[in-house]
Amino acid sequence: GESVGLHLPTLSVQEGDNSIINCAYSNSASDYFIWYKQESGKGPQFIIDIRSNMDKRQGQRVTVLLNKTVKHLSLQIAATQPGDSAVYFCAENSGNTPLVFGKGTRLSVIA
Amino acid sequence: GAGVSQSPSNKVTEKGKDVELRCDPISGHTALYWYRQSLGQGLEFLIYFQGNSAPDKSGLPSDRFSAERTGGSVSTLTIQRTQQEDSAVYLCASSYQTGTGVGGELFFGEGSRLTVL
Repeated sequence: GESVGLHLPTLSVQEGDNSIINCAYSNSASDYFIWYKQESGKGPQFIIDIRSNMDKRQGQRVTVLLNKTVKHLSLQIAATQPGDSAVYFCAENSGNTPLVFGKGTRLSVIA
Repeated sequence: GAGVSQSPSNKVTEKGKDVELRCDPISGHTALYWYRQSLGQGLEFLIYFQGNSAPDKSGLPSDRFSAERTGGSVSTLTIQRTQQEDSAVYLCASSYQTGTGVGGELFFGEGSRLTVL
C-alpha cells in the first residue's frame, strides 16, 4: 500500500548549524503534509504543515519544502538549538483519511 | 481540558490480562484517533472516531483490540488477553475535524505506556 518514509533515520548537527530532515511519500493523492516533533516520553507536537498547492511554507526557524514532482518533503531548521533534539515525523493524508506517519528521524544537536 | 489527557500513563500487566486505556480529548474536538508506537518506531494508526462512530477500524491489529467513544468525548481502548507484542505506547489524538481542512491538525496526548510481562 501507499506509505510515507524517511531517507535518514538519524541526524547529528552542531549547535547553530541548519538541519534538514527529509521525507519521501508515495501516495500521489496526498494533499496535506505535516511535521511533528516528539521529545522523549512525550506525545508528538505539531511543527508546521503544508498543502499540496504550495511548495514552501515558513514558520519560526522552520521551513517546509514540498516537491510534488518527486514526492519529497523536507523540514529545515535554522540555527539548530539543543532544544531541537527530538524525533521528527512527517505525515500525510488526503480527504478524510487519517494521517499516515513515517518512521521518524532522530535529530541530535551537538553543543 | 487544556490538552488531550490519557490514563494510565504507565501500565504493567501480565500476559493474558485485559487492559483499558482511556483518552479524554480536547473539549469541542469531534475527531479522536488512536495510534500505537512501538519502541523506536513510527506511529501505527489503529482507529479513529468521528463523533461516536468509528468509520475506519482497519488498523486494529486483531479482534482482541476494541475501542469505543461515548458522548462524543471520552474514548476507551480495550485490549483483551494481552500478549507481549502488545507492549507499546498507545497515543491518543484529537482534532476539531477529520480531513485536511482547517482544524485538521492532530493534538496528541502524552500516551499510555503498556508493558506486558
